[in-house]
Amino acid sequence: SQTIHQWPATLVQPVGSPLSLECTVEGTSNPNLYWYRQAAGRGLQLLFYSVGIGQISSEVPQNLSASRPQDRQFILSSKKLLLSDSGFYLCAWSRASGRTGELFFGEGSRLTVL
Amino acid sequence: AQKITQTQPGMFVQEKEAVTLDCTYDTSDPSYGLFWYKQPSSGEMIFLIYQGSYDQQNATEGRYSLNFQKARKSANLVISASQLGDSAMYFCAMRATRTTDKLIFGTGTRLQVFP
Repeated sequence: SQTIHQWPATLVQPVGSPLSLECTVEGTSNPNLYWYRQAAGRGLQLLFYSVGIGQISSEVPQNLSASRPQDRQFILSSKKLLLSDSGFYLCAWSRASGRTGELFFGEGSRLTVL
Repeated sequence: AQKITQTQPGMFVQEKEAVTLDCTYDTSDPSYGLFWYKQPSSGEMIFLIYQGSYDQQNATEGRYSLNFQKARKSANLVISASQLGDSAMYFCAMRATRTTDKLIFGTGTRLQVFP
């Protein structure tokens, strides 16, 4: 069966510090991968998606970046965090050839920037 | 541009009763998919139900059913026989292009089930 795991689960960082959130998927190959952000009490905003190694599409201009160094690994990074980067970050995957395009989500990473 | 609208920030329902969570969408793409996800307080997103734009019948999954009215561009979620464990945030989402699986989410509805 397929699993998705992201870490760390909780992170408190000062403004201006770097960020690295990691996500890995097991049990499938060549998945589509996504990073979403959920601000407090709001819906999900798509940040990045990837259809293959090294292929990253950015949905929203910001000081965050994403990388996909391996087929089932997706990393969200920042060189200098802003207060507005606080939120709940969700990694997700979908089957590249899936009929419905259903997303499977990780447990989420809660980031607080102080 | 594609858009998902959930106009109910919060809903209350008594245990064992049915509840409808509203969702309207906007897209010019003739082929699209509609999804509902549940987010309990733990934060994980749980897939509930899917409706394709060309599906002839309304989707059902156990106690969940999707009231799909294409002409009105609405895709309301109906939960029958509510349980205390149904208390959570519920998000409607849409995939509106053929070439990608990107989902656009609504702002969510917080459902609270009381005894």
